[in-house]
Amino acid sequence: DQQVKQNSPSLSVQEGRISILNCDYTNSMFDYFLWYKKYPAEGPTFLISISSIKDKNEDGRFTVFLNKSAKHLSLHIVPSQPGDSAVYFCAASEGNNNDMRFGAGTRLTVKP
Amino acid sequence: KAGVTQTPRYLIKTRGQQVTLSCSPISGHRSVSWYQQTPGQGLQFLFEYFSETQRNKGNFPGRFSGRQFSNSRSEMNVSTLELGDSALYLCASSLGPGGNYGYTFGSGTRLTVV
Repeated sequence: DQQVKQNSPSLSVQEGRISILNCDYTNSMFDYFLWYKKYPAEGPTFLISISSIKDKNEDGRFTVFLNKSAKHLSLHIVPSQPGDSAVYFCAASEGNNNDMRFGAGTRLTVKP
Repeated sequence: KAGVTQTPRYLIKTRGQQVTLSCSPISGHRSVSWYQQTPGQGLQFLFEYFSETQRNKGNFPGRFSGRQFSNSRSEMNVSTLELGDSALYLCASSLGPGGNYGYTFGSGTRLTVV
């Protein structure tokens, strides 16, 4: 049962443009959402998070938007840089619980 | 400070064998979680340990087990290996249980079952 879905396996964007990565979830009990970035041969690294009490969280070039009614969140990267090329995982958890559910990931390629 | 250390990095085993993977969390982190990553499946939660106690367990068969030691180091064991167990196994450590503390992942152990 895939409770967190990233329906786009890949995304290609030109350097300097905006990258938008999408994530949908089915469990309405999820209240904490995270994005991780993963380079080949490395473990995922935490990028940005948002709790269900907010609808937007911004950190530099990265902004996460949460639409609770639609059970949808998105990660915006502006401007995109070639170093942002990686696989991005969306994750969600319910309360005080390390049982994060991850999406399948979206491979972002930023072309110079 | 040292990150999360997973050993070994690569492992090849034969079907039916058993394997033990090790994870040393960041110093001071008491929570360790294990995840399995396979192509197209994303990351799937295996289990979480905090202060030597298993707090949560994902939807994996009983062949997958783990434990945590008093120094917070954790081991994961898979018995009677199957071809489908071939995956990247990732360990994540955190100060405490729950999503609000943030997680740091190790580089993983790539297990190949032949």
